[in-house]
Amino acid sequence: DTAVSQTPKYLVTQMGNDKSIKCEQNLGHDTMYWYKQDSKKFLKIMFSYNNKELIINETVPNRFSPKSPDKAHLNLHINSLELGDSAVYFCASSQVSGAPRNIQYFGAGTRLSVL
Amino acid sequence: AQSVTQLGSHVSVSEGALVLLRCNYSSSVPPYLFWYVQYPNQGLQLLLKYTTGATLVKGINGFEAEFKKSETSFHLTKPSAHMSDAAEYFCAVSLNRDDKIIFGKGTRLHILP
Repeated sequence: DTAVSQTPKYLVTQMGNDKSIKCEQNLGHDTMYWYKQDSKKFLKIMFSYNNKELIINETVPNRFSPKSPDKAHLNLHINSLELGDSAVYFCASSQVSGAPRNIQYFGAGTRLSVL
Repeated sequence: AQSVTQLGSHVSVSEGALVLLRCNYSSSVPPYLFWYVQYPNQGLQLLLKYTTGATLVKGINGFEAEFKKSETSFHLTKPSAHMSDAAEYFCAVSLNRDDKIIFGKGTRLHILP
């Protein structure tokens, strides 16, 4: 059973399109994250949600909108895709109540290619 | 603000040789430190962490790291490299248990037969 699962694994699309990436965790964690990993492997946090509430919102274009329908899901919607959005996007989760939030469990990633 | 510097974007060692991956951090308060590993086409996996207490921490797969406050370092070592250790390794820092994690730029470890 996959602890943090993302779909799709690969996403190829044209500039200007709108796309979504889904993430689900079955660990019972309270907090979920989205990270972007660029072509140089640099990993940067984008968003964090705790119990469906936004707690971290880094400097990210407002074309990126996270949605958390419940604490087990955090989806990422991207409007008007640009070439620079091409990257691997990782979802992560952490924190059973009382445990450190900074120990995170990662999904396998979604490789987004914008043509 | 805290930051992490990993020295060497690529490190090559022979199978059976010592692995040493370097990480230096800057933080205004005593940090929480982590090493994560990323195997090809996979997500990141926690190798080990330092929070408080013993400065030498042991992780999975025979890796360990030592927190040296005077050197602001948290280098990762393994006595004997195995082919399966080939991966990308990320050092990371956090200000406290509930703070976001700042990752270094990663070091790709190559194992030579």
